[in-house]
Amino acid sequence: GENVEQHPSTLSVQEGDSAVIKCTYSDSASNYFPWYKQELGKRPQLIIDIRSNVGEKKDQRIAVTLNKTAKHFSLHITETQPEDSAVYFCAALNTGNQFYFGTGTSLTVIP
Amino acid sequence: GAVVSQHPSRVICKSGTSVKIECRSLDFQATTMFWYRQFPKQSLMLMATSNEGSKATYEQGVEKDKFLINHASLTLSTLTVTSAHPEDSSFYICSARDRAGTQPQHFGDGTRLSIL
Repeated sequence: GENVEQHPSTLSVQEGDSAVIKCTYSDSASNYFPWYKQELGKRPQLIIDIRSNVGEKKDQRIAVTLNKTAKHFSLHITETQPEDSAVYFCAALNTGNQFYFGTGTSLTVIP
Repeated sequence: GAVVSQHPSRVICKSGTSVKIECRSLDFQATTMFWYRQFPKQSLMLMATSNEGSKATYEQGVEKDKFLINHASLTLSTLTVTSAHPEDSSFYICSARDRAGTQPQHFGDGTRLSIL
């Protein structure tokens, strides 16, 4: 299978600062890495994703970087806002077309 | 966009009851659906992969006789928690693959299962 590790488990930042969440994966054949935002009791919402043939992708205040050699990828949120507060999960899609999720990061943006 | 409907959203029942959860892809055909379980403040744990017309593939540690999965059509997969006990209380979420879409999977809204 795949093993996805995520750090940190909790993160507090001041409004306007940047937040970075990092994930590592074990299966070098995994080729798709999405990031999800989940609010309490709700479904995960895809916020950005990256495929293994790309090193970086950006969408407004959110960016994701991928280092295939080191098998890690990171989520970067700039100019954080209180509504960014949620739990964020990284995931990796393995060769069996199954998703494995990281352990989650609880992000709190302090106004 | 692709929509996955999950029903019911909330179930409260007595210990020993069997509970069925439905996952439907409303506007696309899903040959593969996934079932996840999420305990409070924890991540989504893949329980099983449901393939239309064949037996589900269970992750290690998940009891196939406890969690019965049926994927009888291209738009419907069901998860039945048999003889549920309090330790089965959790948030269960399904997702479905849309081969034609850009996202590999779309999530249902989840089912909050509480066993008394």
